Amino acid sequence: DSGVTQTPKHLITATGQRVTLRCSPRSGDLSVYWYQQSLDQGLQFLIQYYNGEERAKGNILERFSAQQFPDLHSELNLSSLELGDSALYFCASSRGVQDTQYFGPGTRLTVL
Amino acid sequence: AQKVTQAQTEISVVEKEDVTLDCVYETRDTTYYLFWYKQPPSGELVFLIRRNSFDEQNEISGRYSWNFQKSTSSFNFTITASQVVDSAVYFCALSSWGKLQFGAGTQVVVTP
Repeated sequence: DSGVTQTPKHLITATGQRVTLRCSPRSGDLSVYWYQQSLDQGLQFLIQYYNGEERAKGNILERFSAQQFPDLHSELNLSSLELGDSALYFCASSRGVQDTQYFGPGTRLTVL
Repeated sequence: AQKVTQAQTEISVVEKEDVTLDCVYETRDTTYYLFWYKQPPSGELVFLIRRNSFDEQNEISGRYSWNFQKSTSSFNFTITASQVVDSAVYFCALSSWGKLQFGAGTQVVVTP
């Protein structure tokens, strides 16, 4: 158990819908990262927050957004979902931006 | 741009054989960090090892060892005396400014 929690574990929804994925970092970690894992793209970095502020962005679609709250938990919002958004979404956390990232169990999103 | 290449797609071994996973990276940064993560069939990403660019000392930790060679931009990982529980996908990753750049992964299959 890495200490990073993600909910829900599984999510099945329809095209065009909007979902919210939630992540709670390890105690004491200030940095939160979101990654997407799909068969065709592999593991891709989406976005990073540090102590509530956006720090870096990867290949995150405009339909996706995220935020980190004052209690340091983070949410990833995915809207206007398409079939291709089906993937495993991981959250990771670290103490600082250069420290080792520990991953949550992931949320498996299926868009039908 | 950063790039991580894991040329081996799948490696199959019989229990107790050694397994070496290759990783080659590209970066223009002088300070960077290299990682190995394991993804067992259950799906979570488990941190294994981390190395920074200034430390080329190779180490052994239990059945795991790694060989970091800056001159060839390689960060290879060896599992000694493999066990069935080692069956997983292993990812090499590179980080300079927080975000992880992953390789495509190597599937390791250990049969009894």
